[in-house]
Amino acid sequence: AQSVTQPDIHITVSEGASLELRCNYSYGATPYLFWYVQSPGQGLQLLLKYFSGDTLVQGIKGFEAEFKRSQSSFNLRKPSVHWSDAAEYFCAVGASGSSGDKLTFGTGTRLAVRP
Amino acid sequence: EPEVTQTPSHQVTQMGQEVILRCVPISNHLYFYWYRQILGQKVEFLVSFYNNEISEKSEIFDDQFSVERPDGSNFTLKIRSTKLEDSAMYFCASSLDRQETQYFGPGTRLLVL
Repeated sequence: AQSVTQPDIHITVSEGASLELRCNYSYGATPYLFWYVQSPGQGLQLLLKYFSGDTLVQGIKGFEAEFKRSQSSFNLRKPSVHWSDAAEYFCAVGASGSSGDKLTFGTGTRLAVRP
Repeated sequence: EPEVTQTPSHQVTQMGQEVILRCVPISNHLYFYWYRQILGQKVEFLVSFYNNEISEKSEIFDDQFSVERPDGSNFTLKIRSTKLEDSAMYFCASSLDRQETQYFGPGTRLLVL
């Protein structure tokens, strides 16, 4: 069974600082990976995804993530954080089985941004 | 841009009552999902649905739960007899195909008293 670990529960960064959110996954086959963001009281918005090909993927709002198979990681990065980036970030791995697809989510990382 | 919608946004119910949560997936999508998120916990898969039948369900999705696509646009989750532990945010999602991005709705916050 697949699993996702997000080791950082809370992270606080200053506005303008760089950001890296960690994600490690466990999956027996080639995974497809996502980062979603959830603002308070809101649904899940897709930031970016990796299915295959280039291991560095660009997303919305200036985010990027790098798939590293050797480390089973898919860390999310942003060079300069904005106050509006304060939210909860979820990494997810997709499993395509014979009967359908499901996403397995990590426990999330809550990002706070200091002015 | 097309989006997944869900109604109601909030629902309060008494334990033992039936609730129906409604979703309108993106119109050309073929795969539909329900997930839930208990307060402070991670998002958990409940069920996936394709071609008018359940394609996969989690161990959470017991006999109290059912899903239906009653017409060409709605996708519903029914909880027959709600329990306190069913209190959660329920998200609907849809995707065009397998291994495609799942787009999530804004969620229905269910509170069981």
